[in-house]
Amino acid sequence: GAGVSQSPRYKVAKRGQDVALRCDPISGHVSLFWYQQALGQGPEFLTYFQNEAQLDKSGLPSDRFFAERPEGSVSTLKIQRTQQEDSAVYLCASSRQKFYEQYFGPGTRLTVT
Amino acid sequence: AQTVTQSQPEMSVQEAETVTLSCTYDTSESDYYLFWYKQPPSRQMILVIRQEAYKQQNATENRFSVNFQKAAKSFSLKISDSQLGDAAMYFCALQGGSEKLVFGKGTKLTVNP
Repeated sequence: GAGVSQSPRYKVAKRGQDVALRCDPISGHVSLFWYQQALGQGPEFLTYFQNEAQLDKSGLPSDRFFAERPEGSVSTLKIQRTQQEDSAVYLCASSRQKFYEQYFGPGTRLTVT
Repeated sequence: AQTVTQSQPEMSVQEAETVTLSCTYDTSESDYYLFWYKQPPSRQMILVIRQEAYKQQNATENRFSVNFQKAAKSFSLKISDSQLGDAAMYFCALQGGSEKLVFGKGTKLTVNP
């Protein structure tokens, strides 16, 4: 079956622009996660959803970052007024149930110039 | 706070040989899970192996096995009969208390023909 997909795969934004990153989880997966991976580093947790409920947003680095999953499937990560330090790969993952394996998407590489 | 430490930024191994990647972690949770993920260059992160902390038996998946030392909070990955396709970044990750994964900084594995 289809895996986790993310779009766009690459995004270049000028500093100050708003961006929206999309994640399509595996169909039927209850949990959805966003991670940020800086160059040469391990992924760092941003936020996660169980169905449409955002249960933990403790990893969002500032109030410029906002995530939603309104119908419990597709999720969007929005970054307002992008800064150079936002440049990273943004990974989405989904899992079938609590504490099951997380399946990762290919990521969106965001470059802020 | 939960932490994961991978002290080997890079490792190399000859094809068909065995290599061990190190990982130590810290958590105050009594129930948790440990993972090794593989991230090939420009490709998606995939799960290599998973270990439940309450299980004393070390997990194995074909050529991949772990040495889980709970008291020492150590979780190393052994790759036997290394293949060229094993070349990748390997991340150790911890999941405890909540569903989010806490990752180490990764070990870059090179396989020499």
